[in-house]
Amino acid sequence: DTGVSQDPRHKITKRGQNVTFRCDPISEHNRLYWYRQTLGQGPEFLTYFQNEAQLEKSRLLSDRFSAERPKGSFSTLEIQRTEQGDSAMYLCASSLLDRGLHYGYTFGSGTRLTVV
Amino acid sequence: AQTVTQSQPEMSVQEAETVTLSCTYDTSENNYYLFWYKQPPSRQMILVIRQEAYKQQNATENRFSVNFQKAAKSFSLKISDSQLGDTAMYFCAFIPQRDDKIIFGKGTRLHILP
Repeated sequence: DTGVSQDPRHKITKRGQNVTFRCDPISEHNRLYWYRQTLGQGPEFLTYFQNEAQLEKSRLLSDRFSAERPKGSFSTLEIQRTEQGDSAMYLCASSLLDRGLHYGYTFGSGTRLTVV
Repeated sequence: AQTVTQSQPEMSVQEAETVTLSCTYDTSENNYYLFWYKQPPSRQMILVIRQEAYKQQNATENRFSVNFQKAAKSFSLKISDSQLGDTAMYFCAFIPQRDDKIIFGKGTRLHILP
């Protein structure tokens, strides 16, 4: 296992188009997270899954955003009708929650979205 | 609301010097975890060090160590013998034991000068 993989690395799209990003977590991790990071800021939580169940969504995640993790393995994040304000780095991370102990996240390299 | 504050947006030090990055956090929880993450330019974020709040002993990882002051809600990172490869954004982060998501500070951009 080579870590958390995200695809694509970069995406340029026109305003109003739909985009979809993919994340492949570390296989033995039971949690998968999506964060958004804008320039000069720390990552902001969007949503997370435990196995295939989406357990929490941030209010940052408008109804144009949807995330899935259909078989508890990879996850997709779709943004519909993109807006310029959606331009950001979208980070995926996975973690192992073991008996209530948090060991921190392993992050992917991110997908940089530019909406023009 | 639980927050993480990093008061130093940017710092520069000479190679081989020691540098300390500050972090404070606000929570009403008693059990939680603290982290420092490093994000090099155009590269992925990696975990530098982890501290469990119920452990009094400060965590250490090679040249990286923390000064954890629970009563003051302070969690600073010390980098000894700094190297050019330490140039990166550093994020302080926090997660309560009962919660499910890490909260990040805004980061400190650290430049190690040759």
